[in-house]
Amino acid sequence: DAGITQSPRHKVTETGTPVTLRCHQTENHRYMYWYRQDPGHGLRLIHYSYGVKDTDKGEVSDGYSVSRSKTEDFLLTLESATSSQTSVYFCAISEPGVEGAETQYFGPGTRLLVL
Amino acid sequence: GENVEQHPSTLSVQEGDSAVIKCTYSDSASNYFPWYKQELGKRPQLIIDIRSNVGEKKDQRIAVTLNKTAKHFSLHITETQPEDSAVYFCAAYPRGYSTLTFGKGTMLLVSP
Repeated sequence: DAGITQSPRHKVTETGTPVTLRCHQTENHRYMYWYRQDPGHGLRLIHYSYGVKDTDKGEVSDGYSVSRSKTEDFLLTLESATSSQTSVYFCAISEPGVEGAETQYFGPGTRLLVL
Repeated sequence: GENVEQHPSTLSVQEGDSAVIKCTYSDSASNYFPWYKQELGKRPQLIIDIRSNVGEKKDQRIAVTLNKTAKHFSLHITETQPEDSAVYFCAAYPRGYSTLTFGKGTMLLVSP
């Protein structure tokens, strides 16, 4: 499955605590993405990265920050977790080609429950 | 930005029937349209994609058609089987951008 892992796979935390999710790839793809998936909303982009230390916001970035210090790792941090951030989080990777867009491959997901 | 509408939200068919899921997009500059299948508790996985210079693409029992003038694209599954039961997502990729915009998904249920 495209050499993408996410950790942890499941996490339960309390409101107000910081949480960091990790995405690791072995494909050397330039682009990495964080999505959240909630019933009735599909996949919504939180943040993405187009290279080491190069990141940008997606449509639901409030309350989240990201960092990418090396090609293979993309970290998502919930600065102060809230119950509305209970969700399934997916990481994805892609390597743009000559036409720009290329396939995104998804990691296995992380289920986060904020109590 | 791009907006992708997907219909229907749920679709129930009998085994052997065909299933069609439709998506519309708003940005005429979009040039790449993938479809993902997500089984319960699993990650989304690409099943087929099409680029704007092609009108139709087939892969065994699945096909995707694209109408650039009307800005819509469709997924066709023939001879459905129970293992086709899943949530299907369409997406569009606007030229010059780095991100996909997803539809909200269609839950397909194939009954034996």
